[in-house]
Amino acid sequence: ETGVTQSPTHLIKTRGQQVTLRCSSQSGHNTVSWYQQALGQGPQFIFQYYREEENGRGNFPPRFSGLQFPNYSSELNVNALELDDSALYLCASSSGNTIYFGEGSWLTVV
Amino acid sequence: KQEVTQIPAALSVPEGENLVLNCSFTDSAIYNLQWFRQDPGKGLTSLLLIQSSQREQTSGRLNASLDKSSGRSTLYIAASQPGDSATYLCAVVQGGSEKLVFGKGTKLTVNP
Repeated sequence: ETGVTQSPTHLIKTRGQQVTLRCSSQSGHNTVSWYQQALGQGPQFIFQYYREEENGRGNFPPRFSGLQFPNYSSELNVNALELDDSALYLCASSSGNTIYFGEGSWLTVV
Repeated sequence: KQEVTQIPAALSVPEGENLVLNCSFTDSAIYNLQWFRQDPGKGLTSLLLIQSSQREQTSGRLNASLDKSSGRSTLYIAASQPGDSATYLCAVVQGGSEKLVFGKGTKLTVNP
């Protein structure tokens, strides 16, 4: 039990649609990061938020955006979905050196 | 740009064997290195974290070493069990950043 919960666990979207993935982390974990993991690959860093401000971004286009809220929840939004966006999306919260991952949201784009 | 490589990509061993998983990284200016376990379709569980100033960390049957100057880390699993079957991921944190850079993982199967 990591204390990081993600929803939904699985979803299917059509190319061109928009999706919002949600994450709830532990109280006091001011840093949240999102990763994309394609099948057979390691997770790739999308972006990180610290106290509701974006604090670093990986090599992902602007149609990937996020929000972090004061209640330690966060969202990942993806617009204009493409087939290659099909992946497991992982949320991670951290306090100091300790990082906790959620179980992920499986997104399939058809 | 930091790149992390894990060898082998897959490994199958009989129960009881000791085994070593390898991880290499191209930029030695890391803040720390972590080993994670991922079960099929699941999230990541942190196994061991080694700070850049440390040489190794141990937890139960697991021992991870770090040679920062050569850009290498190994994860040693003693007396492997079928329950150890999973994908093991190595990740580094670059100095001045909190983002993790992952390898592609080693898929371990321990046969009863």
